[in-house]
Amino acid sequence: NAGVTQTPKFQVLKTGQSMTLQCAQDMNHEYMSWYRQDPGMGLRLIHYSVGAGITDQGEVPNGYNVSRSTTEDFPLRLLSAAPSQTSVYFCASSYSGINQPQHFGDGTRLSIL
Amino acid sequence: KQEVTQIPAALSVPEGENLVLNCSFTDSAIYNLQWFRQDPGKGLTSLLLIQSSQREQTSGRLNASLDKSSGRSTLYIAASQPGDSATYLCAVSGNQGGKLIFGQGTELSVKP
Repeated sequence: NAGVTQTPKFQVLKTGQSMTLQCAQDMNHEYMSWYRQDPGMGLRLIHYSVGAGITDQGEVPNGYNVSRSTTEDFPLRLLSAAPSQTSVYFCASSYSGINQPQHFGDGTRLSIL
Repeated sequence: KQEVTQIPAALSVPEGENLVLNCSFTDSAIYNLQWFRQDPGKGLTSLLLIQSSQREQTSGRLNASLDKSSGRSTLYIAASQPGDSATYLCAVSGNQGGKLIFGQGTELSVKP
């Protein structure tokens, strides 16, 4: 039982490049979300999904896109990377929403030069 | 706008001590409050979830309480051990849609 798997674990990008952070869960969870964690700012919600085909914005959605074509996968796309997007990104999931324990992946550490 | 605060930011205690971590929130209209643990370089692990209708939850040496009217929660750790060293975060859900609002965490160090 792998839980929530995030890839890659580390990534360095140049300003303007695009990339996709992958998140997969094998627990048949309907709710998935993406957070970024920055020193002094805590964790902030980027986007979330309550099921396949349904996504919504969180606190800091600008510069990021998501889609949810399957229950298992919830990729996060950076359209044109900026230094302000340097952060640690966490994916989380739960059975049906935020009123249940959230399961987190180990994160992707992203540096934008 | 909901704001969540955790004080202190860091805490160091000797092994065996009982300790309390604090979490406060500005909007009492919450659905639940969750406590998490984060080890260095790792993701968050859910410890306890208290629904808004509950006063406390217990798991092993951990006990979390919730006082909605005063906007406070405490996480009590009994007989602390070096393995308890980690950052502890609280988060609340409420009328902000499908989102959790996190505090910035308390970094706990338990010395042998």
